[in-house]
Amino acid sequence: EVVLLESGGALVQPGGSLRISCAASGFTLRTYAMSWVRQAPGKGLEWVSGIGGSGETLYADSVKGRFTISRDNSKNTLYLQMNSLRAEDTAIYYCAKGICSGICYWGADNWGQGTLVTVSS
Amino acid sequence: EIVLTQSPGTLSLSPGERATLSCRASQSLINNYLAWYQQRPGQAPRLLIYGASNRATGIPDRFSGSGSGTDFTLTISRLEPEDFAVYYCQQHGSSPFTFGPGTKVDIK
Repeated sequence: EVVLLESGGALVQPGGSLRISCAASGFTLRTYAMSWVRQAPGKGLEWVSGIGGSGETLYADSVKGRFTISRDNSKNTLYLQMNSLRAEDTAIYYCAKGICSGICYWGADNWGQGTLVTVSS
Repeated sequence: EIVLTQSPGTLSLSPGERATLSCRASQSLINNYLAWYQQRPGQAPRLLIYGASNRATGIPDRFSGSGSGTDFTLTISRLEPEDFAVYYCQQHGSSPFTFGPGTKVDIK
């Protein structure tokens, strides 16, 4: 069974930094595309960042240069390092696993329950 | 960046009725890579459809996806009580993998 467990969400001051984690089980994380998707309170979904099976990293324009996605293959864990945080980064951050069915796609067939990041003074 | 537009914003229907949700892209999608997700209150999203028309594992066959190019549709043939939720489309072919704003299906 695929399980994604996010952690590390917290209250952070504007301009601060935070690293959130996603521990994966039931599959080998490095063989799938993985994404971070966020949802501000009462709002829709926003794709934030992704890392492909070969290690390529992708970012939304809104976080480029401030956020860094990475993974630790030995721990089967995905990370998102968030720097220079702004109030508009306040959201639930979901970790999501890419789709593989013969061929592999971006998109997300399994999601964690999310971790809340609040940026406020 | 590809912009996705969903319509209607809210769809009010009764259980047993047919729901038709639309998603339009600002440019043609590579290989019609369009996914649909369902999100119930307080829950994470759930994948329904990928590649425009492929049902995800475990998704009932009352959910179907169609379309190509810039115009896509999610159809729920007969609404069950658990189908009243918000539905998002996402293009998964070209980074950034943008989402539409969502369609809320609520009980009439």
